Amino acid sequence: GNSVTQMEGPVTLSEEAFLTINCTYTATGYPSLFWYVQYPGEGLQLLLKATKADDKGSNKGFEATYRKETTSFHLEKGSVQVSDSAVYFCALTPISNFGNEKLTFGTGTRLTIIP
Amino acid sequence: DVKVTQSSRYLVKRTGEKVFLECVQDMDHENMFWYRQDPGLGLRLIYFSYDVKMKEKGDIPEGYSVSREKKERFSLILESASTNQTSMYLCASSLATGPWYGYTFGSGTRLTVV
Repeated sequence: GNSVTQMEGPVTLSEEAFLTINCTYTATGYPSLFWYVQYPGEGLQLLLKATKADDKGSNKGFEATYRKETTSFHLEKGSVQVSDSAVYFCALTPISNFGNEKLTFGTGTRLTIIP
Repeated sequence: DVKVTQSSRYLVKRTGEKVFLECVQDMDHENMFWYRQDPGLGLRLIYFSYDVKMKEKGDIPEGYSVSREKKERFSLILESASTNQTSMYLCASSLATGPWYGYTFGSGTRLTVV
């Protein structure tokens, strides 16, 4: 079956530090990969996505590269801000029946940035 | 701005009560989903629907049912609430035809069963 494994949190960093949140996956075929973010008191929002190997998704200074050889999609940001404090979810969908796919989520990583 | 709206942010119900969680989307999306979110377990799919009046079980359907009488509305029903159903419930929707941008989520309903 499909699964997503994220690094366990919580992660606490100082402002302007470099961020990496690891994500690896298991899936049949060639899944599409996503990072969602959940700010306090809110639902999940799509942060970035990649739909094929070597694609790089990026948004709001965050990046993640689809690495098929290592089945990974690690989230990175060069300089984090207090406003980046949130829970981050890695997710995949197999996209075999495009548009009617279910997302499989990781367990989430709570990130706290201290000034 | 497109939205998925969940009717309540916080609910407190008693054990044994029948509970309705409502979700409405204004994006004309075909697909709708109900997840529950628990610490350390992430999001787990309860039920989903690809069209009006159809439904399919997700990974943890026990103790829940759903209703989709109209395209924009997807209701989650707890037939007899129990304390182990205390959780955050998230509704989401998505397009059935491409381009596919993933899910749009509501803000969630935090349900406490006492």
